[in-house]
Amino acid sequence: KAGVTQTPRYLIKTRGQQVTLSCSPISGHRSVSWYQQTPGQGLQFLFEYFSETQRNKGNFPGRFSGRQFSNSRSEMNVSTLELGDSALYLCASSLQGVSGNTIYFGEGSWLTVV
Amino acid sequence: DQQVKQNSPSLSVQEGRISILNCDYTNSMFDYFLWYKKYPAEGPTFLISISSIKDKNEDGRFTVFLNKSAKHLSLHIVPSQPGDSAVYFCAASARGTSYGKLTFGQGTILTVHP
Repeated sequence: KAGVTQTPRYLIKTRGQQVTLSCSPISGHRSVSWYQQTPGQGLQFLFEYFSETQRNKGNFPGRFSGRQFSNSRSEMNVSTLELGDSALYLCASSLQGVSGNTIYFGEGSWLTVV
Repeated sequence: DQQVKQNSPSLSVQEGRISILNCDYTNSMFDYFLWYKKYPAEGPTFLISISSIKDKNEDGRFTVFLNKSAKHLSLHIVPSQPGDSAVYFCAASARGTSYGKLTFGQGTILTVHP
């Protein structure tokens, strides 16, 4: 059974640009969530999608957005990139996205903003 | 407000001995706890979980203990192996509307010496 797949793995962007990251969840999983990992802030929850609807959102500015498609695949977008957005962005999936469901993570997308 | 805390930034253990990683939480709504292992530049790998209705869960060399009254959990690895060297994260999810959201501790770097 394939795991959570994220693309691209590594990318470099310039300040002010935007970026789109993609995630394919484990087959059968309908909940997709996104996390940001930085050395200073650790692993922080960005948002979660289920059946193409955002159900939960972390404390991030509106420049961070996402969406989910009917096949449960998800994308997240960061507009007007800032240097502080350099981080490892992790996608995770679970069956229903409720407490008690194990959440599995992808390998992550390393974003460097210069 | 750090709702999940791993107070030991690092732990060093000899191969074959027991590794004990600790985690404290403050949110009484947390009812499901997970441990992840992480290497740099990779996504977290799920190790073991425990529901708040239990006080112990075992899976091979890994055992998680939950003390609800103390709001404390621990991960025991016996016997420890050099391949266990990684960063270990404790995470929690809450009943209610925290869909797909995990709150992570800051992580503990485990080093197992041959």
